Amino acid sequence: DGGITQSPKYLFRKEGQNVTLSCEQNLNHDAMYWYRQDPGQGLRLIYYSQIVNDFQKGDIVEGYSVSREKKESFPLTVTSAQKNPTAFYLCASSDIGRGSMNTEAFFGQGTRLTVV
Amino acid sequence: AQSVTQLGSHVSVSEGALVLLRCNYSSSVPPYLFWYVQYPNQGLQLLLKYTTGATLVKGINGFEAEFKKSETSFHLTKPSAHMSDAAEYFCAVPYNQGGKLIFGQGTELSVKP
Repeated sequence: DGGITQSPKYLFRKEGQNVTLSCEQNLNHDAMYWYRQDPGQGLRLIYYSQIVNDFQKGDIVEGYSVSREKKESFPLTVTSAQKNPTAFYLCASSDIGRGSMNTEAFFGQGTRLTVV
Repeated sequence: AQSVTQLGSHVSVSEGALVLLRCNYSSSVPPYLFWYVQYPNQGLQLLLKYTTGATLVKGINGFEAEFKKSETSFHLTKPSAHMSDAAEYFCAVPYNQGGKLIFGQGTELSVKP
């Protein structure tokens, strides 16, 4: 089945550690996104990528880094510079090939990161 | 700047009652609007989207939404709530070309037996 796979579903991090969240898609979508979700704040865009080897900043980038070495993969690293990393992280992809603005995003099941 | 506002962070209805979840968008956004649903500890699933054409959009699970340009609204409705509708609902608009979305704050729907 086509879709987006995020792993792990739950992740615990100690203070000062870097952790990497995995996101893989087999939908052949050009664009991929990382959102952070906190209670009562909706979803906030961290980074997005529209093409391999290129990515753009979203609204909240401090303490986060990404790479896009393959079309199907867009891992997110949460570094020790992120002061409040406990949140639910969602990866998404969309087919933006024709440049349309009415293209929906498809989401993975999320990774819940907790700092211990 | 584009924005979307969802009125009411929490809505509670009885099973079988009408569901109405409100979403207003800023007039600067293009006429593309989305409703997503999120079940606990899950990702988001598209309920429906408005692009162009008919202003009443039907989605999955019996939900529908009406685009009203004069009111800059895109409210989500369902005639009869079911227990399985309990979830969080998000309204979204596109930033621009590129697929990025701006989300509302979300509305948590509770359904009482």
